[in-house]
Amino acid sequence: DTGVSQDPRHKITKRGQNVTFRCDPISEHNRLYWYRQTLGQGPEFLTYFQNEAQLEKSRLLSDRFSAERPKGSFSTLEIQRTEQGDSAMYLCASSRGQFNQPQHFGDGTRLSIL
Amino acid sequence: AQSVTQLGSHVSVSEGALVLLRCNYSSSVPPYLFWYVQYPNQGLQLLLKYTSAATLVKGINGFEAEFKKSETSFHLTKPSAHMSDAAEYFCAVSEMNRDDKIIFGKGTRLHILP
Repeated sequence: DTGVSQDPRHKITKRGQNVTFRCDPISEHNRLYWYRQTLGQGPEFLTYFQNEAQLEKSRLLSDRFSAERPKGSFSTLEIQRTEQGDSAMYLCASSRGQFNQPQHFGDGTRLSIL
Repeated sequence: AQSVTQLGSHVSVSEGALVLLRCNYSSSVPPYLFWYVQYPNQGLQLLLKYTSAATLVKGINGFEAEFKKSETSFHLTKPSAHMSDAAEYFCAVSEMNRDDKIIFGKGTRLHILP
C-alpha cells in the first residue's frame, strides 16, 4: 500500500492559465474522489469515479473544471481559465468499491493564482 | 440534506488533559459519522467511523467518539492529550450506505499547550 499520490504538490500560476493535476490512487481501489479545500474550511466534494465512469459531479464543478479517469487508474483534474477563487488545496482520495470502505486521502495539490 | 457543525474553530488543551472536540449533525436519514485528522500540508486520515453498530466508537491514537441520537451529537474525546495530537480535526457525515458522498464540517484546530 503505497498510498494516494498527487502531483504536483504545489502549483503557482497566473489568472487565466489552464492547470492540470494528477492523482494516482491506491492500486486496488476502484473508486476515486476529488475534493476542494479552501482556507479555514473542510473539504468540499467535487466529483467521483467508479473505475472509469464519473458517477457524480457537484454543482461546485463549473464548466471550467473537468475530470477524467480514462483507464480506471489515475485521474486528472483540469481547470481552464483559472480565476482567483480557484486558489485552494485540491485533494484526491480513493477507496475500494464496496460500502463501508474508508477513503484514503493524498496530500493534496495546493493551487495559488497570482 | 446533511450537515455537521463543529463548535469552536480553535481548541487549546494542556498536555495530559482531556481533549473534547464537539460535533453536532443534521441528517434526515440514518447517518454514518466520521472524524478525520489533518496535519499541516497533508491529506486527511480517518480516526474513526460510526456505522450504526456500537454507539461508542474507538479509533486510532487513543481517540473515541460517542453517537448520541437524542442530542444529534458525535463528540470526539481523548483522555490525555499529547503534543503530537496538535492538528486540524474534521467531523463528517454521510447517508447510511452512502459513504461515497461525505459532507465535512469546517474543522477544529487543536492546540496542545506544554
